[in-house]
Amino acid sequence: AQTVTQSQPEMSVQEAETVTLSCTYDTSESDYYLFWYKQPPSRQMILVIRQEAYKQQNATENRFSVNFQKAAKSFSLKISDSQLGDAAMYFCAYCVAGGTSYGKLTFGQGTILTVHP
Amino acid sequence: GAGVSQSPSNKVTEKGKDVELRCDPISGHTALYWYRQSLGQGLEFLIYFQGNSAPDKSGLPSDRFSAERTGGSVSTLTIQRTQQEDSAVYLCASSLIGGTGLAGGLSSYEQYFGPGTRLTVT
Repeated sequence: AQTVTQSQPEMSVQEAETVTLSCTYDTSESDYYLFWYKQPPSRQMILVIRQEAYKQQNATENRFSVNFQKAAKSFSLKISDSQLGDAAMYFCAYCVAGGTSYGKLTFGQGTILTVHP
Repeated sequence: GAGVSQSPSNKVTEKGKDVELRCDPISGHTALYWYRQSLGQGLEFLIYFQGNSAPDKSGLPSDRFSAERTGGSVSTLTIQRTQQEDSAVYLCASSLIGGTGLAGGLSSYEQYFGPGTRLTVT
């Protein structure tokens, strides 16, 4: 079974600084997708960034980027120039790609990010 | 257009009562997912719909849980004889196309989440 592990229950960062959230996963599949979701207190899950496992290039979305290490099964999220609005719970998620996959997501335990002004 | 909506936003019920949670997906989205978020179990998959059929019910925790989807749109998650361990936030998500096949690109499979229903069983 696939598992996703986020080893940092809580992280904090000063406004305008950079923070990295860690995620590791375990799978025997060769093709899959990885995601980072943000969940603010409103409970609305918002997709931050996504990565296809077959792509070697790390995904970037404005201030958000990932460090995808397929051999190490690691998928960390870097937030640059942190803003107060980045404060939220962040979830790393995985789903199998292709064929009969239903696209169901397996989530990590989440990391609470606090941004200090 | 409108996002995924869920109702009620919050629900408090007594142990042993039945509850119905509703999800309105984004118009045109054929796939619909239910997840549960609880302190002890984190975020876990419950059930997946493609159209009105549910090819994957593997995450439903017991036979007290059931779900249906009508008209390829609205879905209802029903919990019978609620127990305190059912207390959680129930999240619904929809995507344009179900599964993760190569056709359509990854963006077609991106899941959009609703705000969830917080269920408290007293």
